[in-house]
Amino acid sequence: EDKVVQSPLSLVVHEGDTVTLNCSYEVTNFRSLLWYKQEKKAPTFLFMLTSSGIEKKSGRLSSILDKKELFSILNITATQTGDSAIYLCAVERGNTGKLIFGQGTTLQVKP
Amino acid sequence: DTAVSQTPKYLVTQMGNDKSIKCEQNLGHDTMYWYKQDSKKFLKIMFSYNNKELIINETVPNRFSPKSPDKAHLNLHINSLELGDSAVYFCASSQEGTGANVLTFGAGSRLTVL
Repeated sequence: EDKVVQSPLSLVVHEGDTVTLNCSYEVTNFRSLLWYKQEKKAPTFLFMLTSSGIEKKSGRLSSILDKKELFSILNITATQTGDSAIYLCAVERGNTGKLIFGQGTTLQVKP
Repeated sequence: DTAVSQTPKYLVTQMGNDKSIKCEQNLGHDTMYWYKQDSKKFLKIMFSYNNKELIINETVPNRFSPKSPDKAHLNLHINSLELGDSAVYFCASSQEGTGANVLTFGAGSRLTVL
């Protein structure tokens, strides 16, 4: 059965800390891995990864995929209180748009 | 302009009732989806439509019936609501791009069944 597992499930840090969120997967016919940030409402897109070893970067956030070991990490440097959210990892199975989500990592950044 | 909009945002109803949630996207995307997020925050796909045609129909009770009158709209009707249907329902849309489908989500509709 397809599965996506994220760790840790929750994390509390202080502003300025660096965090690493993990996502491992076992999905048939892998096509892509996506990271989303969910605050109060809709998940918002962060990164899409399809190739191993190529880092995607956006400001203080970066992500990389390892297709051999079947995992991805999301790094956030110099965290701010606005980074507090649930971070969702999802894997697209085939060319279907069917995303298999992990259970999310809840990040709380304290002032 | 909201890209993917859902109504209503909140819905509180009694067991056994029938209710609908509507979704519209103005992104020009060909594919629309319904996802369910349970109390443990797991997002799970229910249905997807591509240009009004049903593409994905997961193991969902047949009390749930999606309907896509055109490619910009995807509605979800639920008959005989049960307590376990309480969840947040997210509509999403995507357009096939290079290497992946990146979904844009609506703000969610929180359904509470009493």
